[in-house]
Formats: sequence, structure tokens, C-alpha cells
Amino acid sequence: DQQVKQNSPSLSVQEGRISILNCDYTNSMFDYFLWYKKYPAEGPTFLISISSIKDKNEDGRFTVFLNKSAKHLSLHIVPSQPGDSAVYFCAASAFDQGGSEKLVFGKGTKLTVNP
Amino acid sequence: DTAVSQTPKYLVTQMGNDKSIKCEQNLGHDTMYWYKQDSKKFLKIMFSYNNKELIINETVPNRFSPKSPDKAHLNLHINSLELGDSAVYFCASSRRGPRGNTIYFGEGSWLTVV
Repeated sequence: DQQVKQNSPSLSVQEGRISILNCDYTNSMFDYFLWYKKYPAEGPTFLISISSIKDKNEDGRFTVFLNKSAKHLSLHIVPSQPGDSAVYFCAASAFDQGGSEKLVFGKGTKLTVNP
Repeated sequence: DTAVSQTPKYLVTQMGNDKSIKCEQNLGHDTMYWYKQDSKKFLKIMFSYNNKELIINETVPNRFSPKSPDKAHLNLHINSLELGDSAVYFCASSRRGPRGNTIYFGEGSWLTVV
């Protein structure tokens, strides 16, 4: 039961171009979304987040877009740099019936930025 | 200074053994987690503790037992290890829940059961 889906396991782009990573979710209870970045042999690190009351959040070269009606979000990186090469995890958060907040991750998309 | 540290980083052990992975965070966070990343690359939560109290316990075999001696530590004990337990286990912490307060992950512990 994949509640958070990243259908592209990998993406390759040229340095300086835009990288667009996509994520779809199925649970309408999710109301907070995050992107994490992971380098090999390291733990994931927080990149950017967005609340469901917004449709866009920007932080430097990184912008996350949220389309609630389509249950879709995307991460845009522009311009892409070789150091952005990593696995990007989409995550969604909701409170369960017990009031505990749960974070559900997608499988990740491996981004390669070629010089 | 490592914010969330877990040991060992690599562990190879035989089926049936009992092993532990230790985790410590020096961020002063109230909530700690254990996540598992299996061969299919999914990163799934196993347990969550808030101030030493268990608040999330996903459906994992009872061979897995978390122990939190204080809010800076959350250790994972695994009894009677099975081949399917081979995975990367990530410890993490956050100030409260993940919302608005980012989760900080450790580097992961690569467990291989042979």
C-alpha cells in the first residue's frame, strides 16, 4: 500500500538545467509534505517542506509545488548543480487516530546532474 | 559534532543471533524514531518515542524491541535475527513531531543477516 509514490526511480539532467522531481500521494489526510535529500552512506537530510494550505514554497534554488486536487507535488531545482546529485525522498505527514503524527516516505528518485 | 549518531554502522551476523543498534542524539529533541529501509528502498517508520514514551509502534515483529533509557537515547534490540531483517536502519530525532520541525537522521546502520 504505497501512500506516497515516486514513480521515477532515476532522473538525469545537465548542469544548469532544471530538475523536476515528482511525487503523488493517495491519502487525503496528508496535510504537510517534505522533501529529503540523501547522499550514499549518509542519512536523509531535510530540504524543503510545504503545508497543504499553500501551493508553492521557495527556498533558493529549490521550489516545491503542491496540487492538492491532483494529490501531486513536485520539487524544482534550478539551476541544477553536480552537487545536487543524490536520492530525493518525498514524504507526507498526517495525524493518526491516536493523535500521533506519522511521516510516510516514497521510494526516492535518484538524481544525477551531469557536468 | 554529530547530531544523531548510531552504532554500529555495519553489522554482519548469523541467523538466530541477537543484536543491538544504539542511537544517541545531542540536539535536545523530545522525539526519537527508528526507520527501516529495506531492499525495495522504502523508508518506513518502525517506532517513535517522545520523552521516553512509546507513541508509534508500527506493525513489526515483536523480535524488535526499542529501549529508551532517557530522551537522548533510543536503542533497538533485535532477537532471533532472520534473513529478512537485512536492511539499513536509521535512527532519527525531532523536537516534537515531524511537522514544522525537521527530522534529523543518523547515518544509518547496515545490517546483513547471513
